[in-house]
Amino acid sequence: GAVVSQHPSRVICKSGTSVKIECRSLDFQATTMFWYRQFPKQSLMLMATSNEGSKATYEQGVEKDKFLINHASLTLSTLTVTSAHPEDSSFYICSARDSAGGNQPQHFGDGTRLSIL
Amino acid sequence: GENVEQHPSTLSVQEGDSAVIKCTYSDSASNYFPWYKQELGKGPQLIIDIRSNVGEKKDQRIAVTLNKTAKHFSLHITETQPEDSAVYFCAGGVYGNKLVFGAGTILRVKS
Repeated sequence: GAVVSQHPSRVICKSGTSVKIECRSLDFQATTMFWYRQFPKQSLMLMATSNEGSKATYEQGVEKDKFLINHASLTLSTLTVTSAHPEDSSFYICSARDSAGGNQPQHFGDGTRLSIL
Repeated sequence: GENVEQHPSTLSVQEGDSAVIKCTYSDSASNYFPWYKQELGKGPQLIIDIRSNVGEKKDQRIAVTLNKTAKHFSLHITETQPEDSAVYFCAGGVYGNKLVFGAGTILRVKS
């Protein structure tokens, strides 16, 4: 149980392109999902908290107009990197927490490797 | 806000030996401390977690201890196996809210 699916696993695109990444909770509902960014050999840095039916909460220093988050259903959150540039190249990972209550930890997807040429 | 520090950054052990990774946190309001294992090119996988109402939790070869007074918690892996080789992250936060991650520990188990 508690499977989080992230798609695509890898994206290579030209500078200026907008890229959408999907995060789905496959066997549970998640009112809250989290988006992280991870540079090579570094830790996970929280970018934003995605809340179903409301606006995302962004961490300090993260441009909300650059990284658009939509959480339209209890099983899907999307991150769109708008007008991507080489410095946006990174490993983007989402996590989700079961809304069922009780002791529910965050479960992570397998990440999306974004490479901007 | 919360700050989590993790040591060591790399750890090499012989197969069968024990491995210990330590983390400290700064925010006394934090009450939830999970540990994640990340293999190359994959997302982190939860291996064990602990809440601040207990001091120790064990799951087969893995255990976590928590000292609330000193604000530190540790991961213990016994009888290490080559498949335990990975990057391990500790994290801390208020349960249900966002997590702050440590810098990670590269564990190498030599056979």
